[in-house]
Amino acid sequence: QQPVQSPQAVILREGEDAVINCSSSKALYSVHWYRQKHGEAPVFLMILLKGGEQKGHEKISASFNEKKQQSSLYLTASQLSYSGTYFCGTPETSGSRLTFGEGTQLTVNP
Amino acid sequence: DAGVIQSPRHEVTEMGQEVTLRCKPISGHNSLFWYRQTMMRGLELLIYFNNNVPIDDSGMPEDRFSAKMPNASFSTLKIQPSEPRDSAVYFCASSFWVIELPGGPEPQHFGDGTRLSIL
Repeated sequence: QQPVQSPQAVILREGEDAVINCSSSKALYSVHWYRQKHGEAPVFLMILLKGGEQKGHEKISASFNEKKQQSSLYLTASQLSYSGTYFCGTPETSGSRLTFGEGTQLTVNP
Repeated sequence: DAGVIQSPRHEVTEMGQEVTLRCKPISGHNSLFWYRQTMMRGLELLIYFNNNVPIDDSGMPEDRFSAKMPNASFSTLKIQPSEPRDSAVYFCASSFWVIELPGGPEPQHFGDGTRLSIL
């Protein structure tokens, strides 16, 4: 079942903060975050695992609330390069493939 | 290091023709994923392979679609016959993934995609 992302779109000025949420109606084993710029392929950002382990890079942080079956991606002091569509992906079971949400379109203006 | 390589980058063909999309995963990766992306349906997983074996093809829309992975360095996605509604961007991605380990797939590396237009 597809995770639900919110908001669908957000427009920021450079330097502002944003939070993107990803929630599931099923138990989450992990949450994967990707960013896709217009006309390009999705690029891996981060994986959050049960137990709090986090794998990723860049100056973007995220949280994973197992009880609420929700993850949030935090973009602080946004830069123009942060613009793009952010997708969260969740596996339905521990060893299964990812199902991606519909994406959140982030636009950072000067 | 070379990333995931897809070909062709663009394909325009007429309805009813056979279309073959190709993918070379990153060397050392054992999992390969085929996705389709459209405005209406978003990013959909069509099929994925682990150690060259198809694991889940439940996303393949219908029998007109088929995928193969004859060896660890090559995969094809074929559409025969093609229809206008197959127009989309098709991505191939690869990762190193031990399915038995918890947490789901490791980071997936996407190719640049094939933009397919069926007239």
